[in-house]
Amino acid sequence: DTAVSQTPKYLVTQMGNDKSIKCEQNLGHDTMYWYKQDSKKFLKIMFSYNNKELIINETVPNRFSPKSPDKAHLNLHINSLELGDSAVYFCASSQDRITLHFGNGTRLTVT
Amino acid sequence: SQQGEEDPQALSIQEGENATMNCSYKTSINNLQWYRQNSGRGLVHLILIRSNEREKHSGRLRVTLDTSKKSSSLLITASRAADTASYFCATVPNAGGTSYGKLTFGQGTILTVHP
Repeated sequence: DTAVSQTPKYLVTQMGNDKSIKCEQNLGHDTMYWYKQDSKKFLKIMFSYNNKELIINETVPNRFSPKSPDKAHLNLHINSLELGDSAVYFCASSQDRITLHFGNGTRLTVT
Repeated sequence: SQQGEEDPQALSIQEGENATMNCSYKTSINNLQWYRQNSGRGLVHLILIRSNEREKHSGRLRVTLDTSKKSSSLLITASRAADTASYFCATVPNAGGTSYGKLTFGQGTILTVHP
């Protein structure tokens, strides 16, 4: 009964490939997020969707494209992967847009 | 640069001792939150303190907020081995309007509690 679930948990791929990370939440929350945690553990917001509408789009390369087919799902597609994209990507959801519920992360390694 | 900065970066204590972690931030805030992250897992919300509050308790957790110094502390009393994790403070700048949950996190404090 994981509240926010992401797949895959680990993703190892080569530079130049295109990959997707999926996220689903069963909390009934209206807002979902993608955060990126780098090797020094800094967490930074990338995107946020509220009920399928994009509301936050930080300075992220346009190789990253989020897609929200419905309010329970927020997927992240990454084109032309680069070494610097290696990180842990966290999906989160929120009802009040104050406290966030995080998934367990997807560790992306680009070789 | 990060809005929140935790101090110390790492803390190692024995079970039963208290653990204190500090967080400093730069801009005016609406509230400040603390999250815990166990190794290989996502962040879990622990406690939120609003800008008009000075202290808040939740079980073995005690959070203080000093808006004049732009700092907060998280105290975990009677620590247990299961408290071993990274602890992050998160803030939302008080810039007017809706924050939409755009939290700014610090680098975290790695707490190790030895049994």
